[in-house]
Amino acid sequence: DGGITQSPKYLFRKEGQNVTLSCEQNLNHDAMYWYRQDPGQGLRLIYYSQIVNDFQKGDIAEGYSVSREKKESFPLTVTSAQKNPTAFYLCASSRGQDNSPLHFGNGTRLTVT
Amino acid sequence: LAKTTQPISMDSYEGQEVNITCSHNNIATNDYITWYQQFPSQGPRFIIQGYKTKVTNEVASLFIPADRKSSTLSLPRVSLSDTAVYYCLVGDWNFGNEKLTFGTGTRLTIIP
Repeated sequence: DGGITQSPKYLFRKEGQNVTLSCEQNLNHDAMYWYRQDPGQGLRLIYYSQIVNDFQKGDIAEGYSVSREKKESFPLTVTSAQKNPTAFYLCASSRGQDNSPLHFGNGTRLTVT
Repeated sequence: LAKTTQPISMDSYEGQEVNITCSHNNIATNDYITWYQQFPSQGPRFIIQGYKTKVTNEVASLFIPADRKSSTLSLPRVSLSDTAVYYCLVGDWNFGNEKLTFGTGTRLTIIP
């Protein structure tokens, strides 16, 4: 079945460590996105990528980095510079044209202590 | 991306029709209206999308008046499994023309 896979589902890290969240899609979508969701809040855009080897900052990119070396993959690194990294992280993809809907993964819950 | 306003929460009884309205006064000519549903600890799921008038699919209807300054998501005969957060998204995101940012959504609770 086609879809988006985020791994792991739960991730625990010590403060000061970088951590990379995985996002893979087999939908042949051009566009991919990373969102952050805090308890009781909406989704805030971290980074997005329309094509391979290109990506743009969203509304809250500080303390995060991404890469898009392959169409299928869009990993997100939460760096030690991110002041409040504990959150629910969601990856999404879309065809990137015709206002096609976003398809989301089931998220990674990151806890930093 | 057009700013949207939705009720923060709504309650409804099982079996009733639920209508959630989204206001988007500054909607642009090329903007589409899309609704998503999110359950706890899951990613949002696409429900329905429209540009004008009425759109219906197997799970919901979307009503858009002629001025397009608002839209109403209609869920027929809701069940407990429809308890979720519903997001209204308005914009034209062809080829990354706009960032896609979600608001806080409407938390719908279905009462048995």
